[in-house]
Amino acid sequence: DTGVSQDPRHKITKRGQNVTFRCDPISEHNRLYWYRQTLGQGPEFLTYFQNEAQLEKSRLLSDRFSAERPKGSFSTLEIQRTEQGDSAMYLCASSDLVGDVEQYFGPGTRLTVT
Amino acid sequence: AQKITQTQPGMFVQEKEAVTLDCTYDTSDQSYGLFWYKQPSSGEMIFLIYQGSYDEQNATEGRYSLNFQKARKSANLVISASQLGDSAMYFCAMRGPAGGGADGLTFGKGTHLIIQP
Repeated sequence: DTGVSQDPRHKITKRGQNVTFRCDPISEHNRLYWYRQTLGQGPEFLTYFQNEAQLEKSRLLSDRFSAERPKGSFSTLEIQRTEQGDSAMYLCASSDLVGDVEQYFGPGTRLTVT
Repeated sequence: AQKITQTQPGMFVQEKEAVTLDCTYDTSDQSYGLFWYKQPSSGEMIFLIYQGSYDEQNATEGRYSLNFQKARKSANLVISASQLGDSAMYFCAMRGPAGGGADGLTFGKGTHLIIQP
């Protein structure tokens, strides 16, 4: 059973560009979560999906942030018109709807906006 | 709103000693879950232990135990017989009632634990 994977692991972009990150959860995990972690802080919850339904998106940081999970498998997180303050680690996690309480995290995508 | 407070930014502990990492929480929910995660320098979050708000027994997982004091709203992590590989950031986290739209975890700022030989 492979773990949660994220791609790319590192992304450097210029301010104003759009970026998209991908997360592949553990197979057959119903729930998928996105978090942002800035230096010296704990992860901050952004949004989550149950299958393809996005159940919580009020925590997305601005309307420049959006996420999709079109077929209930992998998910993408897009940031439009990036700003230097968007530089952070973006973490994805998944969990089973029944049974598991823990969320299994991926290795993260580190975004640097120059 | 949920809040997690970790008051120890950093700790130095001698190898083989036990260590207690502090965590206090604030919530108005009656049903909630408390978690501890470890984040080594590689960056990946590793689940350690979970305690449900209605669990009467303190959770244990190998060398990890969670000292849950509900009335004091504290959920301290105890690591027995610390090892060099325990050096990492440790985060306490909380989740609200299942299905309440609060399924994302709220994390504290973490404690940087360094085990010295």
